[in-house]
Amino acid sequence: AQSVAQPEDQVKVAEGNPLTVKCTYSVSGNPYLFWYVQYPNRGLQFLLKYITGDNLVKGSYGFEAEFNKSQTSFHLKKPSALVSDSALYFCAVRPSGYALNFGKGTSLLVTP
Amino acid sequence: EAGVAQSPRYKIIEKRQSVAFWCNPISGHATLYWYQQILGQGPKLLIQFQNNGVVDDSQLPKDRFSAERLKGVDSTLKIQPAKLEDSAVYLCASSLGQGAWDEQYFGPGTRLTVT
Repeated sequence: AQSVAQPEDQVKVAEGNPLTVKCTYSVSGNPYLFWYVQYPNRGLQFLLKYITGDNLVKGSYGFEAEFNKSQTSFHLKKPSALVSDSALYFCAVRPSGYALNFGKGTSLLVTP
Repeated sequence: EAGVAQSPRYKIIEKRQSVAFWCNPISGHATLYWYQQILGQGPKLLIQFQNNGVVDDSQLPKDRFSAERLKGVDSTLKIQPAKLEDSAVYLCASSLGQGAWDEQYFGPGTRLTVT
């Protein structure tokens, strides 16, 4: 069975500081991993994905994620947080042949 | 390019009533998905279409939910009769292909409240 865990309900950082939103996964076979962001009253927006290759994936709005196979993690990172980054972030995993499986989400709050 | 369109944005109905949601995917996207997002949870796939054929409807409560995608473009999702636990945001998404690596593009969703 495939699953994804986001251990933190909320992450709070000050503007200008680096941020990390954690994600771990459990899947048989090679996973395709995604991060999506959801702003209030809006649908999910694709940020980035890992398919294969370089473990550091760069995405939209200055976000990046690091794939770690040994730790089965795919943490989302940004070197310098902005207040406008405050939103709900979802990690998702999709093994080939299966549906996209989302975590429960992590609320990111960036304070001025 | 225009994004995924959904309507209505909000709907309030009483239990046992019926409701329908409409989705227009991004032009040229062959794959269309309907998700249910309950408050405090991540989206859960209800059904996936490839053109106008169903690829995966294993999590669709078929006794009350139905969906169609005529002509391989627009899609409708219907609930009949609605239950209180159907209160959620219903998200439509589309992707260019049906590969597991294809990113999905989501519409704004329809917030359904069942009273």
